[in-house]
Amino acid sequence: DSGVTQTPKHLITATGQRVTLRCSPRSGDLSVYWYQQSLDQGLQFLIQYYNGEERAKGNILERFSAQQFPDLHSELNLSSLELGDSALYFCASSARLAGKGGELFFGEGSRLTVL
Amino acid sequence: AQRVTQPEKLLSVFKGAPVELKCNYSYSGSPELFWYVQYSRQRLQLLLRHISRESIKGFTADLNKGETSFHLKKPFAQEEDSAMYYCALMGWGSSNTGKLIFGQGTTLQVKP
Repeated sequence: DSGVTQTPKHLITATGQRVTLRCSPRSGDLSVYWYQQSLDQGLQFLIQYYNGEERAKGNILERFSAQQFPDLHSELNLSSLELGDSALYFCASSARLAGKGGELFFGEGSRLTVL
Repeated sequence: AQRVTQPEKLLSVFKGAPVELKCNYSYSGSPELFWYVQYSRQRLQLLLRHISRESIKGFTADLNKGETSFHLKKPFAQEEDSAMYYCALMGWGSSNTGKLIFGQGTTLQVKP
């Protein structure tokens, strides 16, 4: 158990809808990262937050947004969903801004299916 | 550009055979490279990092700056090694923020 918790584990929704994925980092970790894993794209970095502030952005669509709250949990909001958004969304955390020696602790992921 | 390339999507070997999972990177500066493993599409776990020069579960990886490679090797594959393996590069941007950039991943299938 990495200590990173993600909910929901599975989510099925329709195109055009909006969903929110939630992540609770390991206790004490200030940095939260979101990744999207799909069969054809592999593991894509979306966005990183550190202590409530956005610090790095990857290939995140404008329809997606995220935030990190004062209690350090993070939410990834996906709107106007398309079929291609179906993927496994991972959250990871680390103690420091850039990770201790690069080690990120990953959650089990939220599997999103858009029908 | 910061990029990690794993040229093989699938590598299938027999138990006891040697394994080499290829990883090439593109990065200006001194890279920090890692291998992560994902069993049965569960959570990713750090397998090893180049700065530690360690051997984990019989796996080793050597950073070759000349060839910009960080291949993962194991002399004798075991069935329990079957998993998805990701090579990753710590890329540094502005404000000294680092983000882990992953390759596409290679599925290792060890047959009995």
